[in-house]
Amino acid sequence: GAVVSQHPSRVICKSGTSVKIECRSLDFQATTMFWYRQFPKKSLMLMATSNEGSKATYEQGVEKDKFLINHASLTLSTLTVTSAHPEDSSFYICSASGGTDVYEQYFGPGTRLTVT
Amino acid sequence: KNEVEQSPQNLTAQEGEFITINCSYSVGISALHWLQQHPGGGIVSLFMLSSGKKKHGRLIATINIQEKHSSLHITASHPRDSAVYICAVSPHNQFYFGTGTSLTVIP
Repeated sequence: GAVVSQHPSRVICKSGTSVKIECRSLDFQATTMFWYRQFPKKSLMLMATSNEGSKATYEQGVEKDKFLINHASLTLSTLTVTSAHPEDSSFYICSASGGTDVYEQYFGPGTRLTVT
Repeated sequence: KNEVEQSPQNLTAQEGEFITINCSYSVGISALHWLQQHPGGGIVSLFMLSSGKKKHGRLIATINIQEKHSSLHITASHPRDSAVYICAVSPHNQFYFGTGTSLTVIP
């Protein structure tokens, strides 16, 4: 199956700093990438959908200035958590879709962010 | 009401047992995914299916579109199968996740 990678897998940062998470599709062109957040013992929550070359569409309640998403190429999307705070500590997961149907998504392994 | 319901929420099994995890959904879908999330958090896509049955090693996934139900079976379970198993469904332009089934396989 298709492979999606994320980097880093774990990151610890200090409050007030910014952190960038990369999501790459390794063997296909991802026209659409999705960013999810998972709170402890909870299901995945969609944060935003990004299409290559255009602005991301954010879900209600997700601050676009806080969570900057860039989908500059067909194989790379980045999520930058700006001015991170401890409440931003979470597990962030990306998925990628290469076709016209969003249901065909391939998930990355996730990034554990801890803000101290 | 959640669009996706999984059962059981927690499951403990002895090594070697046959395991079944169920997923029921209430929306029309294009596909259903089974995901595996290990204790460290990493997610692995196990299956994506829209009809019938798929098998990969000791894992089998089935789906009944008419009944809006899917099952994930693990044969000859092993402690390394311990993880959270998540069912996710996709209507055409959205994605809904179940809250997961936490499986612990005891040696």
